[in-house]
Amino acid sequence: DGGITQSPKYLFRKEGQNVTLSCEQNLNHDAMYWYRQDPGQGLRLIYYSQIVNDFQKGDIAEGYSVSREKKESFPLTVTSAQKNPTAFYLCASKKGTGGNQPQHFGDGTRLSIL
Amino acid sequence: QKEVEQDPGPLSVPEGAIVSLNCTYSNSAFQYFMWYRQYSRKGPELLMYTYSSGNKEDGRFTAQVDKSSKYISLFIRDSQPSDSATYLCVMSTTQGGSEKLVFGKGTKLTVNP
Repeated sequence: DGGITQSPKYLFRKEGQNVTLSCEQNLNHDAMYWYRQDPGQGLRLIYYSQIVNDFQKGDIAEGYSVSREKKESFPLTVTSAQKNPTAFYLCASKKGTGGNQPQHFGDGTRLSIL
Repeated sequence: QKEVEQDPGPLSVPEGAIVSLNCTYSNSAFQYFMWYRQYSRKGPELLMYTYSSGNKEDGRFTAQVDKSSKYISLFIRDSQPSDSATYLCVMSTTQGGSEKLVFGKGTKLTVNP
């Protein structure tokens, strides 16, 4: 079954702790994205990657880091520098890198502060 | 002026009603228009993807794009309780080789049995 798998579904972070959210896709998509969704706000882009070993900052990259060592995987680390990490995090991927292909989303990870 | 405006609702309709969801935008460079459906605690699911002005139909769903008015709509015919979700309009363009994607904030729809 092709798709985008995000894990874990729920995650709790303690003060001063870094946590990593997993995103794996088996769609052979080129580009991958991380978004943050807060109540009453549109999705905001954190980081994106169009090719292995390369990634770009989005609109709200501060306090986050990513890696793209494999085409299928794009993990997101929420560092202790992110002071307001409680949100719903969505990973997306798409074929190609231009605007002529839609993005497809995973089912998200909900991160909360302990 | 925001690039994309979408009425957040909430919108509540009886089962069987025709639902109209709308977005306006200000950036005439947008070329691609999408509608996503998002159930609670789930990721957005692509419903419709259009490029040109006009209508595109898929089952009970019709997407309408009016580039001259910078206005897009999603119509749902014979609405069902399973259509209860948040609907996101999304617009994109390619600038300098990279994609610019802008999301509406979503309209929450409830279809009552």
